[in-house]
Amino acid sequence: ETGVTQSPTHLIKTRGQQVTLRCSSQSGHNTVSWYQQALGQGPQFIFQYYREEENGRGNFPPRFSGLQFPNYSSELNVNALELDDSALYLCASSLAGGSETQYFGPGTRLLVL
Amino acid sequence: RKEVEQDPGPFNVPEGATVAFNCTYSNSASQSFFWYRQDCRKEPKLLMSVYSSGNEDGRFTAQLNRASQYISLLIRDSKLSDSATYLCVVTSLGGNNRLAFGKGNQVVVIP
Repeated sequence: ETGVTQSPTHLIKTRGQQVTLRCSSQSGHNTVSWYQQALGQGPQFIFQYYREEENGRGNFPPRFSGLQFPNYSSELNVNALELDDSALYLCASSLAGGSETQYFGPGTRLLVL
Repeated sequence: RKEVEQDPGPFNVPEGATVAFNCTYSNSASQSFFWYRQDCRKEPKLLMSVYSSGNEDGRFTAQLNRASQYISLLIRDSKLSDSATYLCVVTSLGGNNRLAFGKGNQVVVIP
């Protein structure tokens, strides 16, 4: 497999709650990108972290935030959850700001009720 | 207009047959192109990169037409294990090489 892990695998939350999703990148990779995949859609870019700094952001509101740790693992935080946040959240690990191949983790499936 | 457009299908393909589909992309300055495969409820996995000269990997052939801004994938001698969603992916500009995905082409290989 890719060596990229995510936790938890599944999560159920209610509207208005907050959630934190975690991603451990492949050994040696310094870049983590986060994507949201709604049912029947392709993944949509949320943001990327490169060497602990945000390196680009997609069209997502500020209640989606993240960070990257010195070991290059990363968190995605979503505040004030909405029903439409129900999706598969994928992280992708790569080298050099995403210029190399991006390897995806198994994802976290979030359901907001 | 979406960055990457794909006809989601499904494409019902008899085992052993050939299936081809393509996608179009809107940004003429896009640099890199890929096909990813995604099995049901799994993460996307890189199938192959796509080059202007075209490239082949076993039963899979990918083509890129920069002038018309479309990418194609052809699968020969379809196997049951080829049943999956095939995602057309383009890297965007802006320094972070973010991946822009199409909705995917769902392929169902029928015995």
